[in-house]
Amino acid sequence: QVQLVESGGGVVQPGRSLRLSCAASGFTFSNDGMHWVRQAPGKGLEWVAVIWFDGTNRYYADSVKGRFIISRDNSNNTLFLQMNSLTVDDTAVYFCARQGSSTSWAFDYWGQGTLVTVSS
Amino acid sequence: EVVMTQSPATLSVSPGERATLSCRASQSVSINVAWYQQKPGQAPRLLVYNVATRATGVPARFSGSGSATDFTLTISSLQSEDFAVYYCQQYNNWPPPWTFGQGTKVEIK
Repeated sequence: QVQLVESGGGVVQPGRSLRLSCAASGFTFSNDGMHWVRQAPGKGLEWVAVIWFDGTNRYYADSVKGRFIISRDNSNNTLFLQMNSLTVDDTAVYFCARQGSSTSWAFDYWGQGTLVTVSS
Repeated sequence: EVVMTQSPATLSVSPGERATLSCRASQSVSINVAWYQQKPGQAPRLLVYNVATRATGVPARFSGSGSATDFTLTISSLQSEDFAVYYCQQYNNWPPPWTFGQGTKVEIK
């Protein structure tokens, strides 16, 4: 079955960097676009970034553009999010999600999330 | 950027009753709208995509409707497991962002 497992979250000081990973299994990872979505404590969902199946296209929310980099390793079925120049507003649970090919690009599978806390 | 506005913010419903959730887009998003359910401490779950197509395993009591800018998720007879937060999302923009609404919490009356 499809599984997405995020890791790499933790507590980090403002201005520092953190790299999140999302390990995928149970499907052909190299066939599907992948997204990061975040949720600040007690708040709603915020789309963060997408990377195309082959890594050729990447798009970002304005709130993270120029600071975050989404990437993927199709040989190891892993999605990444490099987060630089972190601020307290980046504190959130970060979910990876699959862009479903049979669901017209709606996000059909999600990981359980990893918590990033930016605090001094 | 397309803004998705959900109403109401909170909906109080008794078990067995019907719940109607609304989502309005700031511009036409065609049929590229999905609905997700999220329970506390869990990841979101896809319920409906392309306005009205139920995802695999989603009960028939969940139905979506609408077009262009106005969309509705209806839960025909609320079960105890349906009390949760529901989000709409548009994935029509090109290029992204593919924005979410702010959510509607369905609580027990």
